[in-house]
Amino acid sequence: QKEVEQDPGPLSVPEGAIVSLNCTYSNSAFQYFMWYRQYSRKGPELLMYTYSSGNKEDGRFTAQVDKSSKYISLFIRDSQPSDSATYLCAMMRAAGNKLTFGGGTRVLVKP
Amino acid sequence: EAQVTQNPRYLITVTGKKLTVTCSQNMNHEYMSWYRQDPGLGLRQIYYSMNVEATDKGDVPEGYKVSRKEKRNFPLILESPSPNQTSLYFCASSSGASGHYGYTFGSGTRLTVV
Repeated sequence: QKEVEQDPGPLSVPEGAIVSLNCTYSNSAFQYFMWYRQYSRKGPELLMYTYSSGNKEDGRFTAQVDKSSKYISLFIRDSQPSDSATYLCAMMRAAGNKLTFGGGTRVLVKP
Repeated sequence: EAQVTQNPRYLITVTGKKLTVTCSQNMNHEYMSWYRQDPGLGLRQIYYSMNVEATDKGDVPEGYKVSRKEKRNFPLILESPSPNQTSLYFCASSSGASGHYGYTFGSGTRLTVV
């Protein structure tokens, strides 16, 4: 069983809709939680970073972490065609030296 | 512009022919790492380096070597490539290994071993 599970999608939504993404994990030692966006033929770029539990908002993006359920979410409001990409969740232990990634969810925002 | 530069972007090679993928960062980052990305398996760490002359294995180090002689460079060496090393490779750098720091990734190197 993978440490981090993520639905591969694709998730197709109309422009302007809310995109809801999530990951579950099994390792309770994870303390840092991140979301990366990856466009085709590009490297991942950091979107959101959260330490421990709680919510974080940045513009149209909201990240939520529920450590008791081992579940993290990313919401994208007012989605745009430019949001079409693969979204990767990633996690790290407190004294870690690597990111553990989910497999990524492909998102398509249709005009 | 702050960036991580990988070369080459695409490479097709034959089994057993030694190759090096270069990685360079211009952000004076101490931490650098190599990942490979495969369908259904996501990104997995190959090797990482906490600083010059300090490298260690990640989750999938077999068949790979690295070196860190200078802070800015972290090449990935495949001494005898095999078809199961066909993958998309990413180099990443950060101010530190901790999750407090964001990782900057390069644009990737798509390697095919035939």
